[in-house]
Amino acid sequence: RKEVEQDPGPFNVPEGATVAFNCTYSNSASQSFFWYRQDCRKEPKLLMSVYSSGNEDGRFTAQLNRASQYISLLIRDSKLSDSATYLCVVNHQAGTALIFGKGTTLSVSS
Amino acid sequence: GAVVSQHPSRVICKSGTSVKIECRSLDFQATTMFWYRQFPKQSLMLMATSNEGSKATYEQGVEKDKFLINHASLTLSTLTVTSAHPEDSSFYICSSPSGGTQETQYFGPGTRLLVL
Repeated sequence: RKEVEQDPGPFNVPEGATVAFNCTYSNSASQSFFWYRQDCRKEPKLLMSVYSSGNEDGRFTAQLNRASQYISLLIRDSKLSDSATYLCVVNHQAGTALIFGKGTTLSVSS
Repeated sequence: GAVVSQHPSRVICKSGTSVKIECRSLDFQATTMFWYRQFPKQSLMLMATSNEGSKATYEQGVEKDKFLINHASLTLSTLTVTSAHPEDSSFYICSSPSGGTQETQYFGPGTRLLVL
């Protein structure tokens, strides 16, 4: 079983739609949680960190449920530019390597 | 923010040749560098961790004699794919942690390797 599991999609949505991605992780000792965005043939870029209290950055809302080891990302009012692969990422300890999910592909169309 | 450069961005080579990939931290000291590999439609997988001035540690299943890592200075880490084969074709990417309690990782732009 992979340490970080995501539905690979693809999610094909129209502009303006709301879309939600889910992720589960297996190691309860994981300390930090992130969503990264990766465009085709590019390096991953940090979208946002994820906290138990939930956090929002504009149209993006992330949530962490430590009890069920579940992470979510909600994108509201999807834009064409949101089309990318969204990577769920965990970290066991600051300074150590990140552990990536396979990613969920989002395609937003006009 | 901090920047990590990575060269080359793309390389095509013949089977059996060696390819060196360089990652440089441009405005911070990269004590640690992580090397990842990503096959198409797969997740980034950690290959090895290099620390300045010491031997790299390799993940299970990664051959240390095939993937040579050198981290001789605080600003440069290199990965050499020796005797490359077509199955080594992949996207190789480095990252370095920022340190401190607010953990951020700085990624290089990646190297796309195609072995013919």
